[in-house]
Amino acid sequence: AQSVTQPDIHITVSEGASLELRCNYSYGATPYLFWYVQSPGQGLQLLLKYFSGDTLVQGIKGFEAEFKRSQSSFNLRKPSVHWSDAAEYFCAVGTLIQGAQKLVFGQGTRLTINP
Amino acid sequence: GAGVSQSPSNKVTEKGKDVELRCDPISGHTALYWYRQRLGQGLEFLIYFQGNSAPDKSGLPSDRFSAERTGESVSTLTIQRTQQEDSAVYLCASSRTGTQSYFGPGTRLTVL
Repeated sequence: AQSVTQPDIHITVSEGASLELRCNYSYGATPYLFWYVQSPGQGLQLLLKYFSGDTLVQGIKGFEAEFKRSQSSFNLRKPSVHWSDAAEYFCAVGTLIQGAQKLVFGQGTRLTINP
Repeated sequence: GAGVSQSPSNKVTEKGKDVELRCDPISGHTALYWYRQRLGQGLEFLIYFQGNSAPDKSGLPSDRFSAERTGESVSTLTIQRTQQEDSAVYLCASSRTGTQSYFGPGTRLTVL
């Protein structure tokens, strides 16, 4: 069965610093991979997704992620964080079944930004 | 267009009572999903509906949980005889065939 591990429960970075959030997955075939962000009191918003093709994926809000099959990883990066990036970040792997995308989520990484 | 909507946004109930949570998907989305998010946890898959196919109920934690969907429209998640461990945020999502899911704001359920 597929699973997702986000090793870092909580990360604190200074505003303007670079960011990398780690995600490792377990899946037998080529995975569909996602990063979602959840701000306090808000729903989940899709940052980016990988289905196939170029392994470096660009998303919204200046985020990018790189799919590395050899490492079973899909780490999220941003070169310079803003205070508004403080939120909970979830990595997910999807299984396409009869056209439906069933998601398995990691436990999440809470990002705090120091001014 | 409008996103996924859920109602109520908050629900407080007493242990042993039944609750119904509603989800209105994005128009034209054939797939609808329910997830549960316990405090400080990731999301757990509960159930999904896809077109006319039989729903995938593999994530429902017990027979107290059930869900229905009317065509490609509204879905209702019902929890019977609620327990304190059912307290969580229940998130609904919808998608077109084979694409990413769009999530609603969730219903926060508190069982006293």
